[in-house]
Amino acid sequence: DQQVKQNSPSLSVQEGRISILNCDYTNSMFDYFLWYKKYPAEGPTFLISISSIKDKNEDGRFTVFLNKSAKHLSLHIVPSQPGDSAVYFCAASALGAGSYQLTFGKGTKLSVIP
Amino acid sequence: NAGVMQNPRHLVRRRGQEARLRCSPMKGHSHVYWYRQLPEEGLKFMVYLQKENIIDESGMPKERFSAEFPKEGPSILRIQQVVRGDSAAYFCASSPADRPYEQYFGPGTRLTVT
Repeated sequence: DQQVKQNSPSLSVQEGRISILNCDYTNSMFDYFLWYKKYPAEGPTFLISISSIKDKNEDGRFTVFLNKSAKHLSLHIVPSQPGDSAVYFCAASALGAGSYQLTFGKGTKLSVIP
Repeated sequence: NAGVMQNPRHLVRRRGQEARLRCSPMKGHSHVYWYRQLPEEGLKFMVYLQKENIIDESGMPKERFSAEFPKEGPSILRIQQVVRGDSAAYFCASSPADRPYEQYFGPGTRLTVT
């Protein structure tokens, strides 16, 4: 049973436009969410995170939105650049339950077309 | 500041042999996590360790797998009597003690069982 779902395996976006990557979760205990970016043959690189007490967090070109009632979060990248082409993983943790393990989605492959 | 180090990067073992994967956390980090990624899947949590202690091993297979994080030296993930299904990328992450949810990943070890 997948507790974190990324329903779009891939996404193509023109350079300069907005990329929106989506993530849904089912476990109500999750209270901390992270996005990681991964290139082939490398480890995931932390991008941005959000606590469940917030609904938005912004860092440069990256913004994460959290809708707790819908159990949905999204990552916006504006403007998209060719170097953003990678696989993006959504991850969740239940810090309030004392668990630091991350539960990952299967990832969305983003291709930014020059 | 060096990141999380993992070695070897690639490991080939025949069925029945043992695999030892090493992880050196980032300087100043005392928490180590191991994750496994099967082809076309997200990362799956295996085990969470602090120095000389296993804190959460809920993701570890019950047999053949073990992990340690000794007082001195790297963390070791050990797989005994490997089978083809153990072929995967194994990632280590570390975090500082005061922010255990901020996990930084190493480049991974790709294990191939022939």
